Amino acid sequence: LAKTTQPISMDSYEGQEVNITCSHNNIATNDYITWYQQFPSQGPRFIIQGYKTKVTNEVASLFIPADRKSSTLSLPRVSLSDTAVYYCLVGDWIGDMRFGAGTRLTVKP
Amino acid sequence: GAVVSQHPSRVICKSGTSVKIECRSLDFQATTMFWYRQFPKQSLMLMATSNEGSKATYEQGVEKDKFLINHASLTLSTLTVTSAHPEDSSFYICSARDFSGQGENEQFFGPGTRLTVL
Repeated sequence: LAKTTQPISMDSYEGQEVNITCSHNNIATNDYITWYQQFPSQGPRFIIQGYKTKVTNEVASLFIPADRKSSTLSLPRVSLSDTAVYYCLVGDWIGDMRFGAGTRLTVKP
Repeated sequence: GAVVSQHPSRVICKSGTSVKIECRSLDFQATTMFWYRQFPKQSLMLMATSNEGSKATYEQGVEKDKFLINHASLTLSTLTVTSAHPEDSSFYICSARDFSGQGENEQFFGPGTRLTVL
């Protein structure tokens, strides 16, 4: 299983764009990259998933370089409610998903 | 997206008693469900993989006789914490994958169950 490395914490201000980068040097050919958001005392919530290049949905964008050894979650114009822990996971279609330490994002007014 | 529910959402029990936590996939069939445990300020730790109709696969260091997992149907997995002790107090989260082929390779998580052992 590919191990992931993320910054432990990040601070931002309301209205700014936040980019969280995740390293996964040992990613396998069949692995996808998935990002989850977790608020205290809640289960993780799916944000976005990608395999290569760029993926965008209504809440975020995911940038994946050609070598796929890293990925960047981009949150446009964050608000206070985006304060949460963000997890980057790497895995294939059938395997389990193991969480790294995650990035604790704090959005300040 | 698909929904995974857990029951109860929180439970307080006395030391030495057993507690059962249910995990249900509400609108899809889940041949595989996963159980995680999360301590305060820490990440989720995978405890076991629950397979419908067969024995669960436990992670190293997780006592299978203490954390009994039953996956009797395609929509229900249960985790029973036997002879609970205060150190078992934690946030337990289940997840399931929808292998129907629709949508993304997404693992759906339940809302979690807060267990407090007195």
